[in-house]
Amino acid sequence: EDQVTQSPEALRLQEGESSSLNCSYTVSGLRGLFWYRQDPGKGPEFLFTLYSAGEEKEKERLKATLTKKESFLHITAPKPEDSATYLCAVQAEGTALIFGKGTTLSVSS
Amino acid sequence: ETGVTQTPRHLVMGMTNKKSLKCEQHLGHNAMYWYKQSAKKPLELMFVYNFKEQTENNSVPSRFSPECPNSSHLFLHLHTLQPEDSALYLCASSRAYEGLGNTIYFGEGSWLTVV
Repeated sequence: EDQVTQSPEALRLQEGESSSLNCSYTVSGLRGLFWYRQDPGKGPEFLFTLYSAGEEKEKERLKATLTKKESFLHITAPKPEDSATYLCAVQAEGTALIFGKGTTLSVSS
Repeated sequence: ETGVTQTPRHLVMGMTNKKSLKCEQHLGHNAMYWYKQSAKKPLELMFVYNFKEQTENNSVPSRFSPECPNSSHLFLHLHTLQPEDSALYLCASSRAYEGLGNTIYFGEGSWLTVV
């Protein structure tokens, strides 16, 4: 059965304290792994797509990496405006996206 | 990338009411989706339309009825709902349903409260 597990469920950081979020997956025939950011009361906002192990993508303070079994979202020197829920999703062959439960990040100044 | 618009943003309805959620995408996409988001649960895929044809119905109760008149518009008709149906309903679209790296773009969601 295809599965996506995100950890930790919640993460509290001080401003400037770098950390990583984890997304582990078991799917047959990975077509892509996606990261989204969701602010309270809003729809998910697309961040990155990763296609193959070893691939990395960056956007401002965020960097996403992919291995054959997991993906990491590294947050470097976070700011309070980075506070949000980060969702990971995978696309397998012939299926729609499968989402994890998300990691809620709180960054305090 | 914005371009998926949902109305209304908030809806309160009684269990005997009939209402509809509307979604419109301005991205030129061919696939549209309804997702349900409840607290502490992953996004649940409800329906998928690809080129106006329904391709997935994930065992959704018949009190939810989708309609896709064209590739740009998607409706979710609601009737005889239960309080446990209260959730954020998200519409999304993508270039196609299948294919490598098929990125889905979401609307802002419709908050539904059933009383």
